[in-house]
Amino acid sequence: DVKVTQSSRYLVKRTGEKVFLECVQDMDHENMFWYRQDPGLGLRLIYFSYDVKMKEKGDIPEGYSVSREKKERFSLILESASTNQTSMYLCASSPLLAANTGELFFGEGSRLTVL
Amino acid sequence: ELKVEQNPLFLSMQEGKNYTIYCNYSTTSDRLYWYRQDPGKSLESLFVLLSNGAVKQEGRLMASLDTKARLSTLHITAAVHDLSATYFCAALPYSGGSNYKLTFGKGTLLTVNP
Repeated sequence: DVKVTQSSRYLVKRTGEKVFLECVQDMDHENMFWYRQDPGLGLRLIYFSYDVKMKEKGDIPEGYSVSREKKERFSLILESASTNQTSMYLCASSPLLAANTGELFFGEGSRLTVL
Repeated sequence: ELKVEQNPLFLSMQEGKNYTIYCNYSTTSDRLYWYRQDPGKSLESLFVLLSNGAVKQEGRLMASLDTKARLSTLHITAAVHDLSATYFCAALPYSGGSNYKLTFGKGTLLTVNP
């Protein structure tokens, strides 16, 4: 089974702190994604990466950055956390689309509260 | 820009009843996905629909895709309490290539009452 592991299930941080959310997948998938989920807004894509050191902005990249130094690991960084970044963050991975269905495999989520 | 709309957003139904959740999308897409999310949990893949007319069934859930109408449906037959969850549809813009991003609907919160 595909396993996507997010390092922290629950985090509480203060405004202005730097926050790292880590995600690791064990199926050698090329694509990795960070979404945030908010009530009434569904899932919104922050960033995605299709290869090591490659990244593309999603729909709401402002206030976030990402890092992908190894194929299996994709990190989301909040340089200076703000209260409006309080949310559930979901990491997902998938293999290349051409030979696969495009289905995403999600981690358990990281619930971040910024005070 | 691809937009995905689900309705209803909230659905309360009695056990044993049937109902349908609708997923409309705004531009050409040839792949449609349904996911389930239990409270406090992550998303679990239910169905992947890859072509016009595709129909897939698992237990009391059946999903279908009409690419001409840009519509997918998730039909629930004889609902049971265990089906209570939030259901998301997601579509993939038709662009080819290996790099892509899914666009999700806002989700339908389904509550099945005894």
